[in-house]
Amino acid sequence: DTAVSQTPKYLVTQMGNDKSIKCEQNLGHDTMYWYKQDSKKFLKIMFSYNNKELIINETVPNRFSPKSPDKAHLNLHINSLELGDSAVYFCASSHWDPRGELFFGEGSRLTVL
Amino acid sequence: GDSVTQMEGPVTLSEEAFLTINCTYTATGYPSLFWYVQYPGEGLQLLLKATKADDKGSNKGFEATYRKETTSFHLEKGSVQVSDSAVYFCALSGTSGSRLTFGEGTQLTVNP
Repeated sequence: DTAVSQTPKYLVTQMGNDKSIKCEQNLGHDTMYWYKQDSKKFLKIMFSYNNKELIINETVPNRFSPKSPDKAHLNLHINSLELGDSAVYFCASSHWDPRGELFFGEGSRLTVL
Repeated sequence: GDSVTQMEGPVTLSEEAFLTINCTYTATGYPSLFWYVQYPGEGLQLLLKATKADDKGSNKGFEATYRKETTSFHLEKGSVQVSDSAVYFCALSGTSGSRLTFGEGTQLTVNP
């Protein structure tokens, strides 16, 4: 059983389109995250939800909108895609504990043409 | 704010060589420190961690010691294998809730 699963694994789309990435975790965690990894492998947190409540919202364009329908799911919707949005997006989950481990999905590679 | 600085990569070694990847951090309070590894085409997975000063984390032959006096958490392995080829990330978890701040990542390639 996959602990943190993301779909789709690959997206290729045109500038200006809207796309969504879905994430689900079956670990019973109460906190979920979206991270963006650029072409140089740098990882930056975008959002974090704890029990469906937004707790971290970094300086991300408001074209990015996370939605958490329940504790086990955190989806990412992106409007009006731009070339600079091309990256690998990772979902992760954890218990609400600064000393705890994050569990990552396999990533969703977004390519904007 | 919190930050993590890793040695620049990429690092290329021959099999059985000694590995050190340097990591230093800036944080308030007493963060927890982590090393994550990302194999090609996969997500990150925890390699080891340390939650207080002088703790040593270890796993799969890798070790790192939490040095508060030098604000460092260097990753070491005595004899690397080809299968260790991956990107290694140093990270810290501060006091601002359950989140990680990552270093830039270091690409390691081990040749047979």
